[in-house]
Amino acid sequence: NAGVMQNPRHLVRRRGQEARLRCSPMKGHSHVYWYRQLPEEGLKFMVYLQKENIIDESGMPKERFSAEFPKEGPSILRIQQVVRGDSAAYFCASSPERYVRNEQFFGPGTRLTVL
Amino acid sequence: DQQVKQNSPSLSVQEGRISILNCDYTNSMFDYFLWYKKYPAEGPTFLISISSIKDKNEDGRFTVFLNKSAKHLSLHIVPSQPGDSAVYFCAGASRGKLIFGQGTELSVKP
Repeated sequence: NAGVMQNPRHLVRRRGQEARLRCSPMKGHSHVYWYRQLPEEGLKFMVYLQKENIIDESGMPKERFSAEFPKEGPSILRIQQVVRGDSAAYFCASSPERYVRNEQFFGPGTRLTVL
Repeated sequence: DQQVKQNSPSLSVQEGRISILNCDYTNSMFDYFLWYKKYPAEGPTFLISISSIKDKNEDGRFTVFLNKSAKHLSLHIVPSQPGDSAVYFCAGASRGKLIFGQGTELSVKP
């Protein structure tokens, strides 16, 4: 019974490159959420997706960031033309179709370093 | 706009004693509150939650109290164990998304 999977665990990019972060939710979960944790801060909501739909992207920066959760395959968080300020830990979480307590199950995170 | 605040960045407690972690919120639209525990280089792990219509929820050594009039919740851990040492985050849930506090680092001394 695998938990939420994220890869890669560590990603190093130079300024101006693209970063692609992948998230496979727990089996049977159709809701995916992305959060970002900057150094010395709490987790900040970015986006909430269901299969093929973006439900809430109120936490996503307006430029360079995009997210998808296709019918088949993992959810992808894409950051174009990365800058040093994008260096952070990015966490994905998932929940089942009918969740009772708003509980979300988190993956181990992807640590992005922009040089 | 910090909707969820944890004003104590750190807390140190002796093994066997009670740990009390506090959290304040400003958003009245939260329908659930949750506590997560996080170790370095790992994702948060769910501990316990409480509905906004309840004032207490208990699960083993963990109890969460909610005071809606004061917009305050607290997590009690009794008895505290060295393995409880971690960063604890409270979160409010609204329409699917979680709004987290900044975290409190708990250290339980043997």
